[in-house]
Amino acid sequence: EAGVAQSPRYKIIEKRQSVAFWCNPISGHATLYWYQQILGQGPKLLIQFQNNGVVDDSQLPKDRFSAERLKGVDSTLKIQPAKLEDSAVYLCASSARTGGADGYTFGSGTRLTVV
Amino acid sequence: GQNIDQPTEMTATEGAIVQINCTYQTSGFNGLFWYQQHAGEAPTFLSYNVLDGLEEKGRFSSFLSRSKGYSYLLLKELQMKDSASYLCAVYNTNAGKSTFGDGTTLTVKP
Repeated sequence: EAGVAQSPRYKIIEKRQSVAFWCNPISGHATLYWYQQILGQGPKLLIQFQNNGVVDDSQLPKDRFSAERLKGVDSTLKIQPAKLEDSAVYLCASSARTGGADGYTFGSGTRLTVV
Repeated sequence: GQNIDQPTEMTATEGAIVQINCTYQTSGFNGLFWYQQHAGEAPTFLSYNVLDGLEEKGRFSSFLSRSKGYSYLLLKELQMKDSASYLCAVYNTNAGKSTFGDGTTLTVKP
């Protein structure tokens, strides 16, 4: 089966600019996650979707970050405006079972550098 | 909240055995994942322990003690390609999600 697709692979922007990341999960996976991974740290959950509904966005900085999964398949994560501390790898993951008790399949991530 | 601790770095020799420990404190614990992450790549699933005990999968084994809040990943016959970060992640039934530790960077030397 095809894996989790993410684009772009790399992005460099200036602070205060906007950026968007795209994710296409494994076909049939209802649960989709966006994680932020800062260098040297483990992934931190930003938002979790079940189909097209938000399950958990408690750690999403909502003043600048937004995410949507309109048709319950693809998802987009946006940052507007970006700050230097947003430099990180943004990982999208999906799971077949609700909550990911079967483990996550991660995409290859988008490495964001804010200068 | 949840607290997950792993050593930051470990070094081992090719062909040897290494044990990477993970301790956790959490409510609503359901199971514990181990993921492998090579530099610049996405994490990949290694194991999932729900019950106490050791589960073996080839050169990799994972152990869980629920009463002690403790797990370890055992890597045997180390190869250079095992150099990577190993992430421990606790699955919380109540929250319906996994929380990751900061990972242990393993360096395998010749």
